[in-house]
Amino acid sequence: GAVVSQHPSWVICKSGTSVKIECRSLDFQATTMFWYRQFPKQSLMLMATSNEGSKATYEQGVEKDKFLINHASLTLSTLTVTSAHPEDSSFYICSARPPARGNEQFFGPGTRLTVL
Amino acid sequence: AQSVSQHNHHVILSEAASLELGCNYSYGGTVNLFWYVQYPGQHLQLLLKYFSGDPLVKGIKGFEAEFIKSKFSFNLRKPSVQWSDTAEYFCAAPEGDSSASKIIFGSGTRLSIRP
Repeated sequence: GAVVSQHPSWVICKSGTSVKIECRSLDFQATTMFWYRQFPKQSLMLMATSNEGSKATYEQGVEKDKFLINHASLTLSTLTVTSAHPEDSSFYICSARPPARGNEQFFGPGTRLTVL
Repeated sequence: AQSVSQHNHHVILSEAASLELGCNYSYGGTVNLFWYVQYPGQHLQLLLKYFSGDPLVKGIKGFEAEFIKSKFSFNLRKPSVQWSDTAEYFCAAPEGDSSASKIIFGSGTRLSIRP
């Protein structure tokens, strides 16, 4: 149990376009999901906390107008990278917190974004 | 605020060697601690976790970790590593006491096993 999926697994886009990444909890409902960014050979950096039915909470230094997060249902959160630029190229990972599991999070497989 | 430190950036071992990866945390409140593993090209997986009780926690694939409160440490160990243990290992802890607290990750330790 506690499986999290992401789609797409990789995407290549032109500079200036927008890209949407989906994160789904497949077998549980998640009121809270998290979006991370991971640069090569580095740790995960939390970008934002996505709360179902309310606005996301962004970490300091993360542009909320550039990284739009929508958590419209208990099993789906989306991250849209707007007007992507090459410096946005990265590995984006989501996680979800099942109910009654405390702080434990389950991670999606990640999405590799390459902006040309 | 919570911080999580992993002092070993890259560890190289031969097969059958014993492993210990260091992890220190700073927050002294309610302690929940995690070790995650990321195999090459794969997503993060939970190796083991400590919430309460026995400070020696056993996880998957023969890994264990010991919570030492006085040292603010949660080191990961394995008596005999295999080539398949080559991966990135992350220690993590919640920022605060609330079950809604965000998770803080250490910088990670890359483990390379020589066959």
